[in-house]
Amino acid sequence: AQTVTQSQPEMSVQEAETVTLSCTYDTSESNYYLFWYKQPPSRQMILVIRQEAYKQQNATENRFSVNFQKAAKSFSLKISDSQLGDTAMYFCAFILDNYGQNFVFGPGTRLSVLP
Amino acid sequence: KAGVTQTPRYLIKTRGQQVTLSCSPISGHRSVSWYQQTPGQGLQFLFEYFSETQRNKGNFPGRFSGRQFSNSRSEMNVSTLELGDSALYLCASSQGTSGNNEQFFGPGTRLTVL
Repeated sequence: AQTVTQSQPEMSVQEAETVTLSCTYDTSESNYYLFWYKQPPSRQMILVIRQEAYKQQNATENRFSVNFQKAAKSFSLKISDSQLGDTAMYFCAFILDNYGQNFVFGPGTRLSVLP
Repeated sequence: KAGVTQTPRYLIKTRGQQVTLSCSPISGHRSVSWYQQTPGQGLQFLFEYFSETQRNKGNFPGRFSGRQFSNSRSEMNVSTLELGDSALYLCASSQGTSGNNEQFFGPGTRLTVL
């Protein structure tokens, strides 16, 4: 069975600082995709960043970047220059390739950006 | 392009009743997935539909069912509601069924069972 673990239930960071959210996962499959989703108080799930497991290069999206360590099954999210609008729940998730659109989500990390 | 829409946004039911939730995917998307989000269990996959066929099903009892219409709109039904069914129900749509297709989520339906 596939699982995703996020060991930090809550985190806080000062505005303009950098924060890293941790995620580890477990799967015996080799082809999969990893994601970070953000869920602000409005409850709308928003894709932050995605990573193909077959790509060694870490994905980046503006202020968001990941550290993908396939052997360690680790997928952390770094947020640089944190902004008040980054306050949200962050979910790490993965999906197997060719097994349909069924995400396995982690329990989430509640991030608060402080002014 | 309009996003994923879910109706109703809020729903209050009593134990034993049944409920139907609706999800309209982004135009051109043929895959619709449903998730249940609760404080205790987090986000859990319910089922996925593609071209009117259920492709995957999560570990939920038979009281949870769904269907997809020819226009890709999907409904999920929960019969004999229990207090534990209170949750935010999210649907997501994508163009295809493989993992490299991005999923776009709707705003969710908040179901409260009294």
